[in-house]
Amino acid sequence: EVELLESGGGLVKPGGSLRLSCAASGFIFTSYAMSWVRQAPGGGLEWVSAISGSGTAGGTLYADSVKGRFTISRDNSRNRVYLQMNDLRPEDTAVYYCARPWDYWGQGALVTVSS
Amino acid sequence: IAMIQSPLTSPVTLGQPASISCTSSESLLHSDGNTYLSWLQQRPGQPPRLLIYKVSNRFSGVPDRFSGSGAGTDFTLKISRVEAEDVGVYYCMQATQVPCSFGQGTKLEIK
Repeated sequence: EVELLESGGGLVKPGGSLRLSCAASGFIFTSYAMSWVRQAPGGGLEWVSAISGSGTAGGTLYADSVKGRFTISRDNSRNRVYLQMNDLRPEDTAVYYCARPWDYWGQGALVTVSS
Repeated sequence: IAMIQSPLTSPVTLGQPASISCTSSESLLHSDGNTYLSWLQQRPGQPPRLLIYKVSNRFSGVPDRFSGSGAGTDFTLKISRVEAEDVGVYYCMQATQVPCSFGQGTKLEIK
């Protein structure tokens, strides 16, 4: 059974940093690209970032809204994907979902950016 | 690619059909011949769940009362007979072009 479990969410001040982690199981992890999607409170879905199965530097993509501040990475030996979030802003407040595009989604991790 | 859904809210009587439309600003036909249009369901307090992929293919475990159709820029999700568990927000999304993009969501509610 495919499972995706996010962790690392929390409350952070503007300008701060946070790292989200997504633990994957139940499938051959290296065979799949992985993505992060976020959902602001009461809002819709917004794609944030994606990484190829190999995770090489050229295999990453970012939404314009997070480019230069967020970094996606993966550890294929541990079946994990990460989202390093720096210089966080109040508008980054959202539930962040890890997804295996686009058939499986995690339960989400809440990130709140507030002073 | 912009994805526009209508209606934004759909009040439906239990047992009656429901239909949601999704229009993309560009054709979603990929050069590989596939059309990467999916429908997601998000029940209250839950993460999104895949219902339909590549326009009309039901994902594993999805009841057959859900169906998808369309081509090019115009797509439709139909529920043949709405049940109480269908309440939630439905999103269309495209993965033909990078970055992928989502519709605004359609809230299905029971009258």
